Amino acid sequence: DSGVTQTPKHLITATGQRVTLRCSPRSGDLSVYWYQQSLDQGLQFLIHYYNGEERAKGNILERFSAQQFPDLHSELNLSSLELGDSALYFCASSAARTTGGNEAFFGQGTRLTVV
Amino acid sequence: AQKVTQAQTEISVVEKEDVTLDCVYETRDTTYYLFWYKQPPSGELVFLIRRNSFDEQNEISGRYSWNFQKSTSSFNFTITASQVVDSAVYFCALSEANNAGNMLTFGGGTRLMVKP
Repeated sequence: DSGVTQTPKHLITATGQRVTLRCSPRSGDLSVYWYQQSLDQGLQFLIHYYNGEERAKGNILERFSAQQFPDLHSELNLSSLELGDSALYFCASSAARTTGGNEAFFGQGTRLTVV
Repeated sequence: AQKVTQAQTEISVVEKEDVTLDCVYETRDTTYYLFWYKQPPSGELVFLIRRNSFDEQNEISGRYSWNFQKSTSSFNFTITASQVVDSAVYFCALSEANNAGNMLTFGGGTRLMVKP
């Protein structure tokens, strides 16, 4: 168990809908990262938050947004969903502001299926 | 730009065989970090090792060993006496110290199948 909790584990929704994925980092970790794993794109970085502030964005669509709350949990919001958004979404946390400072520990992921 | 290549998409071995998973990376930074993660069939990503660019010492942890060679930009992973439980997808990843986001760039993964 990595200590990173993601809910829900599975989500099935229709095209055009909006969903929220939740992540609770390991106790004490200030950094939260979101990654998307799809068959065609592999594992891709989406966004990074450190102590409530956005630090960097990767290949994140404008339809997607995220935030990190004062209690350090994070939410990834996906809207106007398309079939191609079906993927496994991972949250990772680390103690440091940068990945290089510490290893990132991953949650079990949320498998999103858009039908 | 950083890039990680895992040329072997799938490897199949018989239990007790040794197997090496290749990882080649590209980066312009002199300070960077390399990682290996394991993704078993259950789907989670399990951290295996982190190595910084200044430490070229090979590492051994039980049946696992890693060979880091800056001269060839490679960070290969060897499993000795493989077991069925080693069946998983293995990802190599890179993080550059000068990248503002310091996110992980992953290779495409190598699916390892260990047959009894």
